Amino acid sequence: GAVVSQHPSWVICKSGTSVKIECRSLDFQATTMFWYRQFPKQSLMLMATSNEGSKATYEQGVEKDKFLINHASLTLSTLTVTSAHPEDSSFYICSARSGGSDYEQYFGPGTRLTVT
Amino acid sequence: GQNIDQPTEMTATEGAIVQINCTYQTSGFNGLFWYQQHAGEAPTFLSYNVLDGLEEKGRFSSFLSRSKGYSYLLLKELQMKDSASYLCAVTDSNYQLIWGAGTKLIIKP
Repeated sequence: GAVVSQHPSWVICKSGTSVKIECRSLDFQATTMFWYRQFPKQSLMLMATSNEGSKATYEQGVEKDKFLINHASLTLSTLTVTSAHPEDSSFYICSARSGGSDYEQYFGPGTRLTVT
Repeated sequence: GQNIDQPTEMTATEGAIVQINCTYQTSGFNGLFWYQQHAGEAPTFLSYNVLDGLEEKGRFSSFLSRSKGYSYLLLKELQMKDSASYLCAVTDSNYQLIWGAGTKLIIKP
């Protein structure tokens, strides 16, 4: 099956610093990648959708200047949380879709971010 | 607006059968997914329905009725490891996934 990796799996950073999370599709080309955030005991919340080579489309209420998304290749997307604050502490999950007739989203294992 | 409803929590006994329902109202429909998510982990794919009827895969089955905007996930021969959240998600006319809040399933011995 299609495999998506995320790095790092967990990270602790100080308030005011920036953190970059990588999402890679290992055995397929991902035309579209999605970034989700999930707070404890809540469902997934879509943050943004990115297509390779174009700007990400952010969901309402998500600050694009704070959550920088880059989808520079068909196998890699990055999410950078800039000037992180404790309220940004969450579980960040990426997913990837190959496109065509395959509409399933393949999820990465997630990244646990803690901002102190 | 777009809306997906599923029960917040269900409890079942090991070895039994449980049915988790999902109703949806979305702008267009291009398929319905069920995902399983254990605490602290990312969701894993269980099933995909785009046509009416029942899809069976081992101990898990998923049913869809597009006219009723309704689906259910049926889990048989429940095992303790099935304790998890089960997420219903619908792909709308823009092929965006609209997520339900998830159903936390608790399995008791």
